Amino acid sequence: QKEVEQNSGPLSVPEGAIASLNCTYSDRGSQSFFWYRQYSGKSPELIMSIYSNGDKEDGRFTAQLNKASQYVSLLIRDSQPSDSATYLCAVKNSWGKLQFGAGTQVVVTP
Amino acid sequence: DVKVTQSSRYLVKRTGEKVFLECVQDMDHENMFWYRQDPGLGLRLIYFSYDVKMKEKGDIPEGYSVSREKKERFSLILESASTNQTSMYLCASSEPSSGETQYFGPGTRLLVL
Repeated sequence: QKEVEQNSGPLSVPEGAIASLNCTYSDRGSQSFFWYRQYSGKSPELIMSIYSNGDKEDGRFTAQLNKASQYVSLLIRDSQPSDSATYLCAVKNSWGKLQFGAGTQVVVTP
Repeated sequence: DVKVTQSSRYLVKRTGEKVFLECVQDMDHENMFWYRQDPGLGLRLIYFSYDVKMKEKGDIPEGYSVSREKKERFSLILESASTNQTSMYLCASSEPSSGETQYFGPGTRLLVL
């Protein structure tokens, strides 16, 4: 079992719709959670971090964390073509190591 | 603005060659990391360093070594390159006091023939 799992996609989303990305993790002691965006041929860039249960909103992005169920999700509202990218979920486990998922590719169609 | 730079964007090397990949960060971060990224496998940690002259093995250190002689510079060395080391290599840095957010360099795409 991988420590951090994501659906690889591609997730096809019409422009203006909500994209919903999910991530599950195996280490129940994990405390810090991150979402990175990676455009094709580019390096990952941080878009959200979340540390406590519940929702955290930043512009069109909302991260949701449920530690009891061991999942973290990312919602992208009013999706734009510029949101087309691969989204990486990263989890800092109880050993202090940052583990990355393989990423979910999002394609926003006009 | 955090800046992490890597010495090359693209490299082509032959099997058996010694390869040096260099990473420099300008934010005085204590922590530096080397990852490789392959399709379907995501980012895998090769080595990391929490301080000058200190290094720790990551998940896939075999075939690699590192050097950190100065705080801002972290080098990845492929002692004898092999074709299965063809990959995208990403360097990152972070500061423990800022929540461990990692900032990535632009990456080096290495092709070993």
